[in-house]
Amino acid sequence: DIQMTQSPSSLSASVGDRVTITCQASQDISNDLNWYQQKPGKAPELLIYDASNLETGVPSRFSGSGSGTDFTFTISTLQPEDIATYYCQQYDNLPFTFGPGTKVDIK
Amino acid sequence: EVQLVESGGGLVKPGRSLRLSCTASGFTFGDDAVSWLRQAPGKGLEWVGLIRSKTYSGTTEYAASVKGRFTISRDDFRNIGYLQMNSLKTEDTAVYFCSRRIVEATKDAFDIWGQGTMVTVSS
Repeated sequence: DIQMTQSPSSLSASVGDRVTITCQASQDISNDLNWYQQKPGKAPELLIYDASNLETGVPSRFSGSGSGTDFTFTISTLQPEDIATYYCQQYDNLPFTFGPGTKVDIK
Repeated sequence: EVQLVESGGGLVKPGRSLRLSCTASGFTFGDDAVSWLRQAPGKGLEWVGLIRSKTYSGTTEYAASVKGRFTISRDDFRNIGYLQMNSLKTEDTAVYFCSRRIVEATKDAFDIWGQGTMVTVSS
């Protein structure tokens, strides 16, 4: 199975800050990576697919980059409604696997 | 409105069975794969399995942790997906989500999710 790691596991930032989360795969997964946002008590929502493509309707302050084994997710200007846990997920090989998540809150 | 709604969760004893349902509306259910995922209390997301569309013969795939105990099926006429869970273990306790797996162009992702249904396995 492909193992996914994320860092940091949690972070606190101020409204308006730039936030960056990294995700690493245990083997080359090309661009086969998605990012999801999960707010407390809610289902996850797809934000970024294919490493860097913004899902329809998702604000442009969210972005993703990377390929191979190393990926980055960025919130350019943190908003209060971005408080959530963010997960990366690979679909290069079955079983699909997720990173452990990064919890983002407001300082 | 495009949505998935899970039902059938509850409290069940170890070793017993439970069947979850996932009812779709607002899109052509039969065109896409349906996945089940779960999230244990306070933990991250775990993919459980999927069933492909009839175009791809409706074949199934499972995570190793549930293979041989869980079975995924679908009824495209009624727009419902199912997760049959047998020989349940305490470690199967989780919120179970169904999701549409969309595969098109460069996109292969879980783009529609249900609200989740809680399954608690305890004596």
